[in-house]
Amino acid sequence: EAAVTQSPRNKVAVTGGKVTLSCNQTNNHNNMYWYRQDTGHGLRLIHYSYGAGSTEKGDIPDGYKASRPSQENFSLILELATPSQTSVYFCASGDDRGAEQFFGPGTRLTVL
Amino acid sequence: GQQVQQSPASLVLQEGENAELQCNFSSTATRLQWFYQHPGGRLVSLFYNPSGTKHTGRLTSTTVTNERRSSLHISSSQTTDSGTYFCAIANTGYQNFYFGKGTSLTVIP
Repeated sequence: EAAVTQSPRNKVAVTGGKVTLSCNQTNNHNNMYWYRQDTGHGLRLIHYSYGAGSTEKGDIPDGYKASRPSQENFSLILELATPSQTSVYFCASGDDRGAEQFFGPGTRLTVL
Repeated sequence: GQQVQQSPASLVLQEGENAELQCNFSSTATRLQWFYQHPGGRLVSLFYNPSGTKHTGRLTSTTVTNERRSSLHISSSQTTDSGTYFCAIANTGYQNFYFGKGTSLTVIP
């Protein structure tokens, strides 16, 4: 089965600090996604990528950057973390048909 | 963007009972996926089902595309079915899957 891994699994950061969340997939999928999950909102798309070197804004990109240095890796960067970014972050990958998405285990981020 | 409504928001069943979860969406969707989220947080794909009916084990998904709705039927529920079920849809040409807010299912012995 396809594999998507995330690191770290848990992170505590301070307000104003820089946070990098990493995602690796071994599915050889071109498309990768970053979502956040908050109570009452379901999952919301932050950034996505069509392939190495590309990043696109999703529905809620403010305060986040993304980086796709290779087919396998997709990072989410919080340059100046704020308490409102406390959430659970999920990475996913999908093939070019965009038909299905496969999710990583999630990263729980707390910004104090 | 797409609006995805899931109902009920929560459901409590006695073990052995059946469940019917609903997903309604605001405009045409060419891609639809049902997910199960473990109580510990892991998201697992149950079905990719943009139209028609699919079965796996005790689960059945039925999507009626032109009526913009999908359902997930769980038969003979078990305590291990407890968790949250999400419906996610996307339109042609868009990569963004829009998620509903989920149905929280609790199955008691």
